[in-house]
Amino acid sequence: DAGITQSPRHKVTETGTPVTLRCHQTENHRYMYWYRQDPGHGLRLIHYSYGVKDTDKGEVSDGYSVSRSKTEDFLLTLESATSSQTSVYFCAISEEWWQKPNYGYTFGSGTRLTVV
Amino acid sequence: KQEVTQIPAALSVPEGENLVLNCSFTDSAIYNLQWFRQDPGKGLTSLLLIQSSQREQTSGRLNASLDKSSGRSTLYIAASQPGDSATYLCAVRPWGAGGTSYGKLTFGQGTILTVHP
Repeated sequence: DAGITQSPRHKVTETGTPVTLRCHQTENHRYMYWYRQDPGHGLRLIHYSYGVKDTDKGEVSDGYSVSRSKTEDFLLTLESATSSQTSVYFCAISEEWWQKPNYGYTFGSGTRLTVV
Repeated sequence: KQEVTQIPAALSVPEGENLVLNCSFTDSAIYNLQWFRQDPGKGLTSLLLIQSSQREQTSGRLNASLDKSSGRSTLYIAASQPGDSATYLCAVRPWGAGGTSYGKLTFGQGTILTVHP
């Protein structure tokens, strides 16, 4: 997972509290993504960013917001955590094809979030 | 909407066997396909990436093929070892809007591989 760091690695929080997860990259890649992984659902895209202050929704964006004020940081916020948001959250980065034509996605190590 | 299916869902084999993991996708308009490995409680590690114009990629004992027209990819693992035990995921990446390549990955559910000594 060189070049991409997620924090915290583990978190337990109470229902109704706000939670922010951080993804930090040192690769200077343009695109950043937040996925969640759940048994039976696989990996699903929450939000993604195609540049500083440019973000868009994925397939499971309800209850989540994101921000990207710098190229290297992509924050995922659960405004009011619910038990259904208990999951493992992964951040990923990618670059344009003309910059690295054989380059795919690189994933972080994940954040295990438990909402009680 | 792109759908990705991986078969089998689970596979248990003795050490030394050659094995094939299958991945199929419904929309052939892809930019590339990537195979990942995930160990329990860990993140995803990229194994192989095949561009849409390529037919196969090889890395050590791993070989991945792509038949875009039929919407299929296979991951071949030669001489399997207990250390190969993990979940294997395939993911397809479409072309993004305006010819960009930031298209969002669609993942299969994965194949859980167990290689026993």
